[in-house]
Amino acid sequence: SQTIHQWPATLVQPVGSPLSLECTVEGTSNPNLYWYRQAAGRGLQLLFYSVGIGQISSEVPQNLSASRPQDRQFILSSKKLLLSDSGFYLCAWSLERGVYEQYFGPGTRLTVT
Amino acid sequence: GEDVEQSLFLSVREGDSSVINCTYTDSSSTYLYWYKQEPGAGLQLLTYIFSNMDMKQDQRLTVLLNKKDKHLSLRIADTQTGDSAIYFCAANNKFYFGSGTKLNVKP
Repeated sequence: SQTIHQWPATLVQPVGSPLSLECTVEGTSNPNLYWYRQAAGRGLQLLFYSVGIGQISSEVPQNLSASRPQDRQFILSSKKLLLSDSGFYLCAWSLERGVYEQYFGPGTRLTVT
Repeated sequence: GEDVEQSLFLSVREGDSSVINCTYTDSSSTYLYWYKQEPGAGLQLLTYIFSNMDMKQDQRLTVLLNKKDKHLSLRIADTQTGDSAIYFCAANNKFYFGSGTKLNVKP
């Protein structure tokens, strides 16, 4: 069966510090991968998606970047965090074709102080 | 960009039916989804509907799709306190999500 992991679960970082959030998927090959941010009391905002290694599409201009160094690994990064980067970050995967339903990780709660 | 809109809040009494509505703008989506998010957790797929269907029923859940009006709804029959959560609709053209509807079920 497939599983998706995210870490860390919670993170408190000062403004201006770097960020690295990791997401890994097990039990499937060549998944589509996604990063979302959910601000407090708000809906999900799609940040990045990837259809393969090294292929990243950015949905909104921002202070963040994403990388996919391996087939089942998706990393969200920032060189210098802003207060507005606080939120709940969710990684998800879906199959390349078919119903395309997404499977979400448990999320990372990021607080920038 | 996408437009997927939902009302933000819904409050019902236990045992009543809940109806959560969603409108979308991009008619190219082949699948439309309903996800549930419990506090502090990721999203979990509840159900989906293929765009050539009008209705899909799955136990207490009924999904209605009006393609002409680009309107999707989720009906939960016999709503329970455990159904309290945020419900998101999404379209698969690029996995854009609505803002989520917070369902509060009062005992």
